[in-house]
Amino acid sequence: AQSVSQHNHHVILSEAASLELGCNYSYGGTVNLFWYVQYPGQHLQLLLKYFSGDPLVKGIKGFEAEFIKSKFSFNLRKPSVQWSDTAEYFCAVTASGGSYIPTFGRGTSLIVHP
Amino acid sequence: EAGVAQSPRYKIIEKRQSVAFWCNPISGHATLYWYQQILGQGPKLLIQFQNNGVVDDSQLPKDRFSAERLKGVDSTLKIQPAKLEDSAVYLCASSHPLFSDTQYFGPGTRLTVL
Repeated sequence: AQSVSQHNHHVILSEAASLELGCNYSYGGTVNLFWYVQYPGQHLQLLLKYFSGDPLVKGIKGFEAEFIKSKFSFNLRKPSVQWSDTAEYFCAVTASGGSYIPTFGRGTSLIVHP
Repeated sequence: EAGVAQSPRYKIIEKRQSVAFWCNPISGHATLYWYQQILGQGPKLLIQFQNNGVVDDSQLPKDRFSAERLKGVDSTLKIQPAKLEDSAVYLCASSHPLFSDTQYFGPGTRLTVL
C-alpha cells in the first residue's frame, strides 16, 4: 500500500515570497501524483496532476510541481504567492493501473500575509 | 456544469444518535466515493460505488456505518449509532467513467458528535 508524507504542516509567508511544499510518497511501483487545494469555505479541488511524461507539471494559478522519481518526491512550487493562495494543500498518490483511490497526505496549511 | 452537491453542510448530534448524509454527484459520473476527513488529516476513503454497486468498502466501519446508492445516482451515508470519534468532515466525490483518475469533490458535511 502507498503512503504520503507532507513534512510542512503549517507555512506562513508574506505576499510575493516563493513557495515550496514538500511531498514524499512510499510505493514500490509506478504512481500517479496529485496536488489538491482547499480554499477557506470551499471544496477540495484539483490543482495539478502527474501521470507520465515531463516530470515538471504546471497547474492552475501559477503552481507547478516536479516529480523526482529517485527521491520519491512531488514538491509543489510557486515563485510568488498571493494572499488568495491561503488554503490547505494536499498531496495524493494512486498506483498506476490499479484502483484510482488516492492516498492523501495530512495536508499543509498555508497562510499568506498581505 | 453543476458540481457535487451534499447536504446538510453542518450537523451536530449527541453520541449514540443516528445521522444521515446525502450526496448528488455530477451528472454522468458513474463512480461515487465517500471520504472521512478528521481534523488535521487528509481524506480517507470509506466506500466507493460504481453505478449502484459497491467496489470497495474495506475501510467502512460496517458495525455502525452504512451507505447506499440505490438508483446509481445519489447516495446516502448513515452512521448509527454515532461515537465521539466520528466527528469529522464527510466528503463525497464523483468521477467520470472515461476519466476515473480525476475526482470532483463536494463541499462536505461537517459532523460534530457531542
